Amino acid sequence: AQKVTQAQTEISVVEKEDVTLDCVYETRDTTYYLFWYKQPPSGELVFLIRRNSFDEQNEISGRYSWNFQKSTSSFNFTITASQVVDSAVYFCALSGGGNFNKFYFGSGTKLNVKP
Amino acid sequence: ETGVTQTPRHLVMGMTNKKSLKCEQHLGHNAMYWYKQSAKKPLELMFVYNFKEQTENNSVPSRFSPECPNSSHLFLHLHTLQPEDSALYLCASSQEVLAGGPGTQFFGPGTRLTVL
Repeated sequence: AQKVTQAQTEISVVEKEDVTLDCVYETRDTTYYLFWYKQPPSGELVFLIRRNSFDEQNEISGRYSWNFQKSTSSFNFTITASQVVDSAVYFCALSGGGNFNKFYFGSGTKLNVKP
Repeated sequence: ETGVTQTPRHLVMGMTNKKSLKCEQHLGHNAMYWYKQSAKKPLELMFVYNFKEQTENNSVPSRFSPECPNSSHLFLHLHTLQPEDSALYLCASSQEVLAGGPGTQFFGPGTRLTVL
């Protein structure tokens, strides 16, 4: 069975603070893919990153970084020096099991960045 | 237009009405999806179309009827809905290849549906 857990329902930080959003996944597949999406108040999910299970290298893109650890089945997302525009709901998703069309989304973490 | 567009953005309908949601993707993708997003629930996959063929129906009630006339357009026909069907309906598209894992799904802005 595939499952994604985002235990943090809502996080509030003050601008310029660093914040980490947790994502823990469950799968029995050896080949799988992980994603992060951002959903601003406008509603559209914006793609942030895709990572396959064979690539455990951490990734940095500007203020965003991702830490993928297979040993703990986690794919955490860190925003450095947060900004008000980062306020959104962030979703982690998993695709695997041969049916790659099917994405399993976590319940999302709402991030509030206050000025 | 670029990306994935959805119309209408907001829809209010009575339980006896019939309406349709429209999705169009301008990315040249070959797969399209309908998702339902209710308050405080994970995104629920409803339907998947690959090359215009329906490949996934996630036990969706028959009052939701999808249609995919070509690889760029996807519709969701609605009839005799219930108040609990009120939600944000999101469309997505991706480019699927035979090898190399899933295509990244790109989403539209959604249709906010309210059923009275």
